[in-house]
Parts: sequence; structure tokens; C-alpha cells
Amino acid sequence: EAGVTQFPSHSVIEKGQTVTLRCDPISGHDNLYWYRRVMGKEIKFLLHFVKESKQDESGMPNNRFLAERTGGTYSTLKVQPAELEDSGVYFCASSQLGPSTDTQYFGPGTRLTVL
Amino acid sequence: AQTVTQSQPEMSVQEAETVTLSCTYDTSESDYYLFWYKQPPSRQMILVIRQEAYKQQNATENRFSVNFQKAAKSFSLKISDSQLGDAAMYFCAYRSAPPYGGSQGNLIFGKGTKLSVKP
Repeated sequence: EAGVTQFPSHSVIEKGQTVTLRCDPISGHDNLYWYRRVMGKEIKFLLHFVKESKQDESGMPNNRFLAERTGGTYSTLKVQPAELEDSGVYFCASSQLGPSTDTQYFGPGTRLTVL
Repeated sequence: AQTVTQSQPEMSVQEAETVTLSCTYDTSESDYYLFWYKQPPSRQMILVIRQEAYKQQNATENRFSVNFQKAAKSFSLKISDSQLGDAAMYFCAYRSAPPYGGSQGNLIFGKGTKLSVKP
């Protein structure tokens, strides 16, 4: 079974540009989460999808970030326009919809550098 | 709001020896879940071990075990017979359990502890 995949693995862009990150969860996982780790700090929650619906987006830093999950499969996270403080590693995780002890499986992350 | 603290940014252990990584957390909830995740260099983060707060028995997974002290809000990870492959960043994480409000699904992480294993 394929794990959670993320694309691209690295992205270097200039301030003001747009970047779109993609996450493909494990097949059959209805829960999809986005997290971000800024260098030297904790991994922070961004948002949570259940199927195609946003269950919780309380962690989204501002309206420059837009997440979608059309059809309840893969998800995209777009940053527009990117700012220097958006640099970090963006992780995606997925889990099954079920008992609350479900394990979240993480992708390898996308390292975003904004110059 | 819940917080997770890992007070050891870096740790080092000799191969075959035992090391303990510390984690404390703060919460007003009585039921929750605690996790240790491991992220090897340039690789994906994987779950090492998890603990349900309502269970008194400490979780174990092969060479990995936890010391869960609910009253002290402490959740340390012990790695026995350390191996070179244990070298990684270790993250402690907290997750609320129903029926508590807020973001029940998401994990709250500590800053991580970088573990080095010396041959």
C-alpha cells in the first residue's frame, strides 16, 4: 500500500510568487491534515479535511493560504502571494475515519523556501 | 489550550545503551492521547508509540517504552538497546479525545529532540 505522498519535495520561490503544494493521502483515508514546521519551532496544525469538507481550519495563518480537497481525494495548499515567513516544511497526514485513536500517517513533507 | 514541551533539543546515546527522552504537557482535559513520532534524516515521520490517557499501563513497542505519569503530566520515551537506525528527530504529540471541543483531530507537537547514536 502506498503511503502519503507530497509534491514537490522542495520548492524555492521569490517573495510575491505563488506556490501550490499537493498531498495524496493513503487510499481510503477520509481524514487529511496539513501541518507546518517553521525552522526551530514546533510542528503546527494548519487545517483538517474530512473527505472534501473543511472540518477545522483554525490553524491557517491568513487568507494568503488556500486549501482544497476536491472529490475528497488529493489536497492542494496554495500560498499566494508568498512571504518570507512562509518558509518551512509543510507536512500532510491522513488517517481513517473511525475510532478516535486512529493513527495519522505522515508524508515526507515539502520544504518551501521563500527568498 | 494544550501545550507540549520537550526540554532536550539534542541527546546522544552509545549504541546498545538506553536513553530516555523527556516530554511534558499541559492540559485541563481528563481524556486524551499521547504519541511519540520519529523522523529519520530526510525520511518520513512515523509513529513510534502511543498511549491512551485512560490506560494506566505504560505502552511498549519492542525496544520502545513510555513512562506515563498522568498526575505529573509527563510522558517520557525510553529506547533500550539503542541502534544506529534510532538516530532521528523525535517528536512528542498530544491529541484531544471526544467529547472535548476544539480541534479534536489534530496533533499538538513539541519542538522535538534530535537523537544521535554513537557506534
